[in-house]
Amino acid sequence: EPEVTQTPSHQVTQMGQEVILRCVPISNHLYFYWYRQILGQKVEFLVSFYNNEISEKSEIFDDQFSVERPDGSNFTLKIRSTKLEDSAMYFCASSERQDLYEQYFGPGTRLTVT
Amino acid sequence: QKEVEQNSGPLSVPEGAIASLNCTYSDRVSQSFFWYRQYSGKSPELIMSIYSNGDKEDGRFTAQLNKASQYVSLLIRDSQPSDSATYLCAVNTYTGGFKTIFGAGTRLFVKA
Repeated sequence: EPEVTQTPSHQVTQMGQEVILRCVPISNHLYFYWYRQILGQKVEFLVSFYNNEISEKSEIFDDQFSVERPDGSNFTLKIRSTKLEDSAMYFCASSERQDLYEQYFGPGTRLTVT
Repeated sequence: QKEVEQNSGPLSVPEGAIASLNCTYSDRVSQSFFWYRQYSGKSPELIMSIYSNGDKEDGRFTAQLNKASQYVSLLIRDSQPSDSATYLCAVNTYTGGFKTIFGAGTRLFVKA
């Protein structure tokens, strides 16, 4: 069964450094998403991406964040100048369509900023 | 601010019983509703989607949607200890583009 994959599973970085989180969405899916879940809190939408453009983003997704589809399979989230409060699980998801279709989540990357 | 509200629980049911999980949402024009299961330290796993008023059944799971009351529920029949997890209600909302808003989740504990 096709699945979303994410690397790395755990990333430790120092405050102020840049990190890139990687995702490989399900191959026939066209819409890609990033979510964040701070420990003990709810899953929060960050951004959706379609046709090489951001289609929607949340208030969290400020200039510190960027997304890219550098090739036909990978979808990345870059976090510049990381802060302690960026420590969280970051989930990538993909779907065939955006409005009605189900999103399938990857296993997540645990980001720890020290 | 568009919200999805769930009772945080924990909801404790004996093995074999029916577990009933509830969710309300604030965006009246939402059209797509989802239930995810999340085990501790894992990612959300899609269980059910529902788009029309009424019931939708899939195995031991039944999702119920009432758009007039802005209410979604999930029933789990013949609950098993392996069903013990946090159940997340998610709603697609449109604010110029689509985004999915998650509730905080209800912790379910099924006692053997």
